[in-house]
Amino acid sequence: GQQVMQIPQYQHVQEGEDFTTYCNSSTTLSNIQWYKQRPGGHPVFLIQLVKSGEVKKQKRLTFQFGEAKKNSSLHITATQTTDVGTYFCAVGLSGGYNKLIFGAGTRLAVHP
Amino acid sequence: NAGVMQNPRHLVRRRGQEARLRCSPMKGHSHVYWYRQLPEEGLKFMVYLQKENIIDESGMPKERFSAEFPKEGPSILRIQQVVRGDSAAYFCASSPRGSEQFFGPGTRLTVL
Repeated sequence: GQQVMQIPQYQHVQEGEDFTTYCNSSTTLSNIQWYKQRPGGHPVFLIQLVKSGEVKKQKRLTFQFGEAKKNSSLHITATQTTDVGTYFCAVGLSGGYNKLIFGAGTRLAVHP
Repeated sequence: NAGVMQNPRHLVRRRGQEARLRCSPMKGHSHVYWYRQLPEEGLKFMVYLQKENIIDESGMPKERFSAEFPKEGPSILRIQQVVRGDSAAYFCASSPRGSEQFFGPGTRLTVL
């Protein structure tokens, strides 16, 4: 079945440093979504990427979808303590509905 | 517009008992998804339902687990004869159709 590999598993940064998490698939993806989950919380939708080579920005967050639509990245510029949490990529399978296959997540710790 | 509601938020059961988890989707959302998250892991798809229909239950264990989304009332995820390995966070998500999913706060199930 569809799988998506996400790295790194953990990332510790000093406040103000940048952070990047990557998702990779062996197959071409129709779309990819990104979610953030705070400790003890639930996943919150951040963005969906659909087009080859797509780049979207949300303030300090930059999302990219690879040209071959097999990989994606989330980059946070100048991290803040509010960025703490686990970031998941999720692949939406085609077929008229959006059953999501989640990556294992990258847990981000930000030290003040 | 209230978000996705799940109850109970925490549920403790002894081995062999039944666990019943409820999910009320956002108003206007007819698609409900259940996911399970083990500690320190990503979310795993369990089942996708629309009103009165199970569309995809490929992620649901064949035994002891069942789900329903009746015409009236919340969606129910039922686990019979719980075992310690069932301890996890169970998240429900809803969507209007094939788009971003909105997650509920989850039910944390602990099996003693």
